[in-house]
Amino acid sequence: GENVEQHPSTLSVQEGDSAVIKCTYSDSASNYFPWYKQELGKRPQLIIDIRSNVGEKKDQRIAVTLNKTAKHFSLHITETQPEDSAVYFCAASTGNQGGKLIFGQGTELSVKP
Amino acid sequence: GAVVSQHPSRVICKSGTSVKIECRSLDFQATTMFWYRQFPKKSLMLMATSNEGSKATYEQGVEKDKFLINHASLTLSTLTVTSAHPEDSSFYICSVPMGFTSSGRSEQYFGPGTRLTVT
Repeated sequence: GENVEQHPSTLSVQEGDSAVIKCTYSDSASNYFPWYKQELGKRPQLIIDIRSNVGEKKDQRIAVTLNKTAKHFSLHITETQPEDSAVYFCAASTGNQGGKLIFGQGTELSVKP
Repeated sequence: GAVVSQHPSRVICKSGTSVKIECRSLDFQATTMFWYRQFPKKSLMLMATSNEGSKATYEQGVEKDKFLINHASLTLSTLTVTSAHPEDSSFYICSVPMGFTSSGRSEQYFGPGTRLTVT
């Protein structure tokens, strides 16, 4: 089955700096890659996603890149703010089995003011 | 967007008892729902896919007789932790997939989660 690896597990940056989180996946049939943000004690919230027919997608300060050949994708957050502090999860899906998602291990991002 | 609720939000039970957790899709009919388990500061581990009208599909390593799933209707799935033990203490979250839109987006809406503590 699918396996998603995520790095780093923790990331600390200064406010205004950029943050990059990387994920790799194992199943070449995966074609959908969302990123979720989870604040302490709250439910995960979708922040950006990318399909396999696209190499890059941007939404304001957040961007995601996908290298399908290498089976890895990354989340880029620019001009980080303290409110970006949270745990971020990448995930992968083949779209089958109801669209089930396999999540990476998570990255705890801390943005220091 | 769709709203997903879970009940209860927190539950404490004694070892050996069973606990039922409900997941409701409030404005979307869901033939499929997913159940995840999350340990503190850890990832969401997919436990099973709840299928309306058929048996749940369990992920490898998840005991189906331990974690009973019933997709009672298009808006309700329940997870029952049977004969609970302290190691079952965890955060359980359900999600409802919206399916793929024409733009390729496939958002899953997560419930608020249920904190289970087994004493």
